[in-house]
Amino acid sequence: GEDVEQSLFLSVREGDSSVINCTYTDSSSTYLYWYKQEPGAGLQLLTYIFSNMDMKQDQRLTVLLNKKDKHLSLRIADTQTGDSAIYFCAESSRSGNTGKLIFGQGTTLQVKP
Amino acid sequence: GAVVSQHPSWVICKSGTSVKIECRSLDFQATTMFWYRQFPKQSLMLMATSNEGSKATYEQGVEKDKFLINHASLTLSTLTVTSAHPEDSSFYICSARDFNEQFFGPGTRLTVL
Repeated sequence: GEDVEQSLFLSVREGDSSVINCTYTDSSSTYLYWYKQEPGAGLQLLTYIFSNMDMKQDQRLTVLLNKKDKHLSLRIADTQTGDSAIYFCAESSRSGNTGKLIFGQGTTLQVKP
Repeated sequence: GAVVSQHPSWVICKSGTSVKIECRSLDFQATTMFWYRQFPKQSLMLMATSNEGSKATYEQGVEKDKFLINHASLTLSTLTVTSAHPEDSSFYICSARDFNEQFFGPGTRLTVL
């Protein structure tokens, strides 16, 4: 079945770049997403990329997609303490075209001042 | 982005009672909504896909008679946890699909005593 994997923890210093990685197994994924979750809150959609794209940039966020290796990354430039949160990658399941998302385990990003 | 609300944001109930959680898309119509459950420090587990005007589609292992879902309008889906027990205590999050994006509510923290 579909599976999404992420590393569990990343620690960076304020001002550095953060790179969060994700791998997935479903080669027929159409969209891949990055969500941010702060403690006790729901998920905030950060960005998403269509599977026929290699890169997408949105202000401080850069998403890279290597479809051959089924590898997705999120780069946060000039990381701030407010970026500390859990980041989830997700792929849209092709099952019945319902838009069902399969989530990774989440990467906790810790930003040190 | 689009806004999804949930009500209540938290609820404490006695074992054996039923609890209803509402999920509303505030500025768009959603034919499909999703209900997730999240345990502490874990990823989101999809419980069911809620389709407006039809029966919900439940994921394997989710008891449909225990977690009743009603999607009576294009902006409202409800999840009722029937005869709740302490093991049902969790963070319940809904999402609503708007074209290729999925927007999440802020979550409902359910504690069953």
